[in-house]
Amino acid sequence: KNEVEQSPQNLTAQEGEFITINCSYSVGISALHWLQQHPGGGIVSLFMLSSGKKKHGRLIATINIQEKHSSLHITASHPRDSAVYICAALNYGGSQGNLIFGKGTKLSVKP
Amino acid sequence: NAGVTQTPKFRVLKTGQSMTLLCAQDMNHEYMYWYRQDPGMGLRLIHYSVGEGTTAKGEVPDGYNVSRLKKQNFLLGLESAAPSQTSVYFCASSYRNPRRQNYGYTFGSGTRLTVV
Repeated sequence: KNEVEQSPQNLTAQEGEFITINCSYSVGISALHWLQQHPGGGIVSLFMLSSGKKKHGRLIATINIQEKHSSLHITASHPRDSAVYICAALNYGGSQGNLIFGKGTKLSVKP
Repeated sequence: NAGVTQTPKFRVLKTGQSMTLLCAQDMNHEYMYWYRQDPGMGLRLIHYSVGEGTTAKGEVPDGYNVSRLKKQNFLLGLESAAPSQTSVYFCASSYRNPRRQNYGYTFGSGTRLTVV
């Protein structure tokens, strides 16, 4: 069983829809990251969370430490949001500061 | 501010050839990492470094070597390339604050390597 699980694996939405991507983890973490990867592109860090909720523009990330669950929401989705979204956990107490990655959610937003 | 720069961006190798991937960061980060990304799998850690002159093995180190002679550079070497090493390689860096928490994760744009 993977230590970081994302759902869904693939998601197709119409422009303007509200989107939710989920991430569950089984390890003790000190922080959780949401990353974005455009096709053929590099990886960009969107959020780093250790508790509560963060918002940046149309993106909202939440985390529930007790339930070991995080969600990434996109409001008023747009075709330019089409990308792979990756959840990554930072192991609590890890000496190397290494991230444990989910397999990603491929989002496609249709105009 | 360039962040993390990887070179080359693309490379095709023949089986048995060797090559070095270069990662350079200008953020004075202590921690640097090499990952590989394969279809259907999350990024997997190959090797990492917690400071100049130090390196350590990650999850999938076989067939790779690394060096961190200067703080800003982290080199990934393939001594004898194999088709199984066809992948996209990402370098990343981070720093650790006085509370021993890592921040500032920054990724390079990736190197697409094909071994034929």
